[in-house]
Amino acid sequence: EAQVTQNPRYLITVTGKKLTVTCSQNMNHEYMSWYRQDPGLGLRQIYYSMNVEVTDKGDVPEGYKVSRKEKRNFPLILESPSPNQTSLYFCASSSGETNTGELFFGEGSRLTVL
Amino acid sequence: RKEVEQDPGPFNVPEGATVAFNCTYSNSASQSFFWYRQDCRKEPKLLMSVYSSGNEDGRFTAQLNRASQYISLLIRDSKLSDSATYLCVVNGGSYIPTFGRGTSLIVHP
Repeated sequence: EAQVTQNPRYLITVTGKKLTVTCSQNMNHEYMSWYRQDPGLGLRQIYYSMNVEVTDKGDVPEGYKVSRKEKRNFPLILESPSPNQTSLYFCASSSGETNTGELFFGEGSRLTVL
Repeated sequence: RKEVEQDPGPFNVPEGATVAFNCTYSNSASQSFFWYRQDCRKEPKLLMSVYSSGNEDGRFTAQLNRASQYISLLIRDSKLSDSATYLCVVNGGSYIPTFGRGTSLIVHP
C-alpha cells in the first residue's frame, strides 16, 4: 500500500530535549516536505527536498533541521525544542511532476513542548 | 500579500444546499491547481485537480479562471459528510506547492 509513515504520532517533551520525527515513503517519490499546522495559520512549510542530498528552507525553517540521505526518508530534527514549536506536523511526498504530482501526507505528528 | 488566499469561513449550510468556494493566487506563472480536503486533525487528501477547461466529479465541480487568477470549487447537494476544511493548492513552475489557509465548511441537518 502506498503510504507516508510518520513517527511518533504523539509526543510530549520538555524544552531543550533534542528530538527527531521520522518520515518514510514507499512510493519512490523525489519530492518530500515538512509542514506545521497551527490554528488560524493553515499549513506552513518548514523544509522541503527535491531529491537525495537536496534540501531547502520553506517559510518557517527556524529551529528545525532536516536531512535527505536516502530517497525514502526525510527526518525532521528539533535540536533544542521550545514551546512555540508545539504544533501538528505533517510530512508529505510527491513525484514532483508539476501538473500531476499529487501530494501524499502522513497521518501527522502532534508535538507538545513543555 | 499571501500567494494563495481563501475565505476562511466557516460556511454554514443546510443539507442539500449548493455552496461555492473561491481561491485567488498571485503568481501568474502558476501551472497547476488542486483542491484538497482536510478533516479535523487528519491529514489533507486530494479532492480533485483543476483543469483549464473545468472538471466535474459527481457533486463537485472545479473551475479555473487564469485571467482573474482564481479557482473555484462548487459542491452541489451538500451532505453532512462534506463538513471539512477545503484547501486550495497552487503549483508554480518548479514543483513547490503553495497552500491556502483553507475554507471551513459545516453542513447541518
